[in-house]
Amino acid sequence: QVQLVQSGAEVKKPGASVKVSCKVSGYTLTELSMHWVRQAPGKGLEWMGGFDPEDGETIYAQKFQGRVTMTEDTSTDTAYMELSSLRSEDTAVYYCATWGSPTLGAYAFDIWGQGTMVTVSS
Amino acid sequence: EIVLTQSPATLSLSPGERATLSCRASQSVSSYLAWYQQKPGQAPRLLIYDASNRATGIPARFSGSGSGTDFTLTISSLEPEDFAVYYCQQRSNWPNTFGPGTKVDIK
Repeated sequence: QVQLVQSGAEVKKPGASVKVSCKVSGYTLTELSMHWVRQAPGKGLEWMGGFDPEDGETIYAQKFQGRVTMTEDTSTDTAYMELSSLRSEDTAVYYCATWGSPTLGAYAFDIWGQGTMVTVSS
Repeated sequence: EIVLTQSPATLSLSPGERATLSCRASQSVSSYLAWYQQKPGQAPRLLIYDASNRATGIPARFSGSGSGTDFTLTISSLEPEDFAVYYCQQRSNWPNTFGPGTKVDIK
């Protein structure tokens, strides 16, 4: 089955960048559509962006346009999410999640990583 | 952007009781709605996709219904492990959006 293992917690200063990784096992990354969702402490879930298999493009939430970059290394089956110009409001747990794995046969966030806590503090 | 509203914000029930959670969309999302369960310190877990389809391994006590703008997640008889926060999410249009969540806690 698909498993997603994310990189460890990060502490960053305002204005810095952070790059979170998400290692896939059980399938190859080319078989999956990876997305990123974040959750600020005590708050709800916020979709950031991901690969749209119907259009074949990576799409980003407007809120993060220009600050976020999602990439993939298919040689290591690892997805990355880089967020720049960090501010305190970016303090959150960042999750990778598959958008409809082959076993689901539909579109939903069916497999999730364990989450990566990113703290932005001076 | 499609806005999802969930009610109630908190539902206080006892084990064995029936839970009915509501999700309303600001415009029609057809049947493109999913439900997730999240426990403290854990990632969300997919329960229901496309309004009424249970994900793999989800017990039959969880059921989803609705279409258009009004959706319901029903837990027929609450088990101790069901006390958690539940989110709805639409995939009708990008951006995907989530509701603010309903917390089901122990009465």
